[in-house]
Amino acid sequence: GIQVEQSPPDLILQEGANSTLRCNFSDSVNNLQWFHQNPWGQLINLFYIPSGTKQNGRLSATTVATERYSLLYISSSQTTDSGVYFCAVERSNTGKLIFGQGTTLQVKP
Amino acid sequence: GAGVSQSPRYKVAKRGQDVALRCDPISGHVSLFWYQQALGQGPEFLTYFQNEAQLDKSGLPSDRFFAERPEGSVSTLKIQRTQQEDSAVYLCASSLGLAGGDNEQFFGPGTRLTVL
Repeated sequence: GIQVEQSPPDLILQEGANSTLRCNFSDSVNNLQWFHQNPWGQLINLFYIPSGTKQNGRLSATTVATERYSLLYISSSQTTDSGVYFCAVERSNTGKLIFGQGTTLQVKP
Repeated sequence: GAGVSQSPRYKVAKRGQDVALRCDPISGHVSLFWYQQALGQGPEFLTYFQNEAQLDKSGLPSDRFFAERPEGSVSTLKIQRTQQEDSAVYLCASSLGLAGGDNEQFFGPGTRLTVL
């Protein structure tokens, strides 16, 4: 089956710093989503981005489908950005999302 | 509008008990998914409904797991004769469209199941 790899596995930042999270996937996909799982376990939708670039406030994401990777950029990080960031992909027409192992981000004040 | 809701939020069961977990998807969403998330891992797919039809149950770990969505809205995940390895967070997600189409999935808060 398709493999989804996220890097780095863990990241510690000082408040105000910028960061880039990466998601590599091993096969073509028709759906890619980025989520933030907060400390209470809720998965919050960040981006639905099978291709191209999107921005939402301090966050932006880019997916290069032909090269099978996606990047999530966090600028001017805040302590509330702490948590686990997941990339998930849907292989063609299957419906189900395959998740990576996540990047655990800690932002220190 | 209301998001995906799940109940109960927490469930403690003795080994061997049956449990039922409920999911209320976003109104009008055609597709509904169940995932299982073990501690420190990403969610893993269990099963997929399109309206009331269960189109994929390949992720259900054993025949003790059963899911239904009889009227194409609310769904129930049932686990019979629970075992300790069933302890996990069970997440429900829904999407407006069909697999392969507009399939942005929105997740509920999950049910944390602990089997003693």
